[in-house]
Amino acid sequence: DTAVSQTPKYLVTQMGNDKSIKCEQNLGHDTMYWYKQDSKKFLKIMFSYNNKELIINETVPNRFSPKSPDKAHLNLHINSLELGDSAVYFCASSQQGRNQPQHFGDGTRLSIL
Amino acid sequence: GQNIDQPTEMTATEGAIVQINCTYQTSGFNGLFWYQQHAGEAPTFLSYNVLDGLEEKGRFSSFLSRSKGYSYLLLKELQMKDSASYLCAVAKAAGNKLTFGGGTRVLVKP
Repeated sequence: DTAVSQTPKYLVTQMGNDKSIKCEQNLGHDTMYWYKQDSKKFLKIMFSYNNKELIINETVPNRFSPKSPDKAHLNLHINSLELGDSAVYFCASSQQGRNQPQHFGDGTRLSIL
Repeated sequence: GQNIDQPTEMTATEGAIVQINCTYQTSGFNGLFWYQQHAGEAPTFLSYNVLDGLEEKGRFSSFLSRSKGYSYLLLKELQMKDSASYLCAVAKAAGNKLTFGGGTRVLVKP
């Protein structure tokens, strides 16, 4: 199936741990994104990469580090997890161009104990 | 910065019409998107407006007035499966960056 797929779907871990979330798209898109959706359902952009180059880097703690090994993959590594990191993290991708919609993965539900 | 406002929740009856309003303040406007998000699922693209006027796509239509910083999403012939959150998102020119509103939760009742 053509899609944006992210793993794992659920992640339950303890404060202070380090974890990674992986994202892959087979839509042939040039641009990939990471969003955070908190308990109030606000969806906020964190990072965006275009052809492996970082183009958007919002005010995110530097415990969060994205990595794009190629344009089809954008992974998110989080160090020293905190309670406030509990949220749903969505990966998305799009073609370049202003009218290009973003296609979202199913989300990773991160719970910090 | 960007302010995007939309109502938190709306309730409507199956078969009826519902209009979800979105107002925004932004610089460098590059279009407005509407997404649908069912509970526990990913947002999915519904519509895009960059010029003033109405765009119609089946039961869903979206309107934009750039001078007023205003858009609405119109859902006609409501079905139970339309119960979801509807997210308004404004695009800025640089980097295809989207800023989302808080979403409007629509509950369709029989």
